[in-house]
Amino acid sequence: DVKVTQSSRYLVKRTGEKVFLECVQDMDHENMFWYRQDPGLGLRLIYFSYDVKMKEKGDIPEGYSVSREKKERFSLILESASTNQTSMYLCASSVPTGEAFFGQGTRLTVV
Amino acid sequence: QQQVKQSPQSLIVQKGGISIINCAYENTAFDYFPWYQQFPGKGPALLIAIRPDVSEKKEGRFTISFNKSAKQFSLHIMDSQPGDSATYFCAARLNSGYSTLTFGKGTMLLVSP
Repeated sequence: DVKVTQSSRYLVKRTGEKVFLECVQDMDHENMFWYRQDPGLGLRLIYFSYDVKMKEKGDIPEGYSVSREKKERFSLILESASTNQTSMYLCASSVPTGEAFFGQGTRLTVV
Repeated sequence: QQQVKQSPQSLIVQKGGISIINCAYENTAFDYFPWYQQFPGKGPALLIAIRPDVSEKKEGRFTISFNKSAKQFSLHIMDSQPGDSATYFCAARLNSGYSTLTFGKGTMLLVSP
């Protein structure tokens, strides 16, 4: 089975802190994604990566950056956390045919 | 446009009934349409998917109906069970680019005993 693991289930951070969300997949997928999920808004794509050191902006990249130094690991960075970034963050990896596999999510609260 | 519109936002169905969730899209360049199921506290999990060269796909109690001309697709859950209570997301993928999925806003399904 494909496994996508996010490093934290729950995080509480203070406004202005730099926050790192880590994601690891074990299926050698080239594509990896970060989404945020908010009630009534569904899943919105923040950034994705199609290869090591390659990244593309999604629909809502403002306030975020990403890093992909190794194929299996994709990190989401909040440079200066703000309260409007309180959300559920979901990492996914996918095969070229489209099937995407999600991690369990990180619920981030910024206070 | 990359929007996928999903309805209803929420749905209550009696045990044993049929749950129907609908999605519509505009971009004819979409070529893959999955449905995801998400339980509270969990990430979404792929439930069933269809490509536009077929009009229907069935897996157990779950069926996708696809209408290419109307640019609509729907999920039917037959004999709905309380264990099906979850949030369901439809999605669509462009036939070019990097396999990014565009998601609907989700439907919260409650199957009452």
